[in-house]
Amino acid sequence: GDSVTQMEGPVTLSEEAFLTINCTYTATGYPSLFWYVQYPGEGLQLLLKATKADDKGSNKGFEATYRKETTSFHLEKGSVQVSDSAVYFCAPHTGGFKTIFGAGTRLFVKA
Amino acid sequence: DTGVSQDPRHKITKRGQNVTFRCDPISEHNRLYWYRQTLGQGPEFLTYFQNEAQLEKSRLLSDRFSAERPKGSFSTLEIQRTEQGDSAMYLCASSTAGPSSGANVLTFGAGSRLTVL
Repeated sequence: GDSVTQMEGPVTLSEEAFLTINCTYTATGYPSLFWYVQYPGEGLQLLLKATKADDKGSNKGFEATYRKETTSFHLEKGSVQVSDSAVYFCAPHTGGFKTIFGAGTRLFVKA
Repeated sequence: DTGVSQDPRHKITKRGQNVTFRCDPISEHNRLYWYRQTLGQGPEFLTYFQNEAQLEKSRLLSDRFSAERPKGSFSTLEIQRTEQGDSAMYLCASSTAGPSSGANVLTFGAGSRLTVL
């Protein structure tokens, strides 16, 4: 069945460090790929998306590229801030018309 | 539009009781989803509707769970004979379908937290 695997957390970084959170998936059809974020005390919200191979989604300095050959959608940011501390979820939208979520990766950024 | 609304925000109940949650999606969204999230895990898909039709239901969903979306607007999720293992955050999300750039982007409500004693 469809599944998604993302890097286990927590990830602890200092401000201005480089961030990578790995995500790989298995899915039927040609999924759209999403990253959602959950800030402390808030609900899930969209961070970025990509809908076809080699597309790059970007928002708030975060980027992720749709790699169809490796079925991956790794999240990156060149310089993290304390305000980026949150839980990040990789989420393919599969051919079954539903979005499935990874377990989430908690990021702590220290000043 | 005020986004996706869920009610109640918190529910504490005793084992064996029935509970019902309500979700009001964004009015233009024709798809509505229910997810369950436990501590330290990602949202787990339960079921989804396109308009009033329930198109998919997770195999993990026991027959104690039922969801409706009678007029293609709000939805209810009922859990009968609750068990302690049902304790979780129940999330509702809505989206549009089709070729638009916003298609399949989920807008989540704040969730309904269930505690079964």
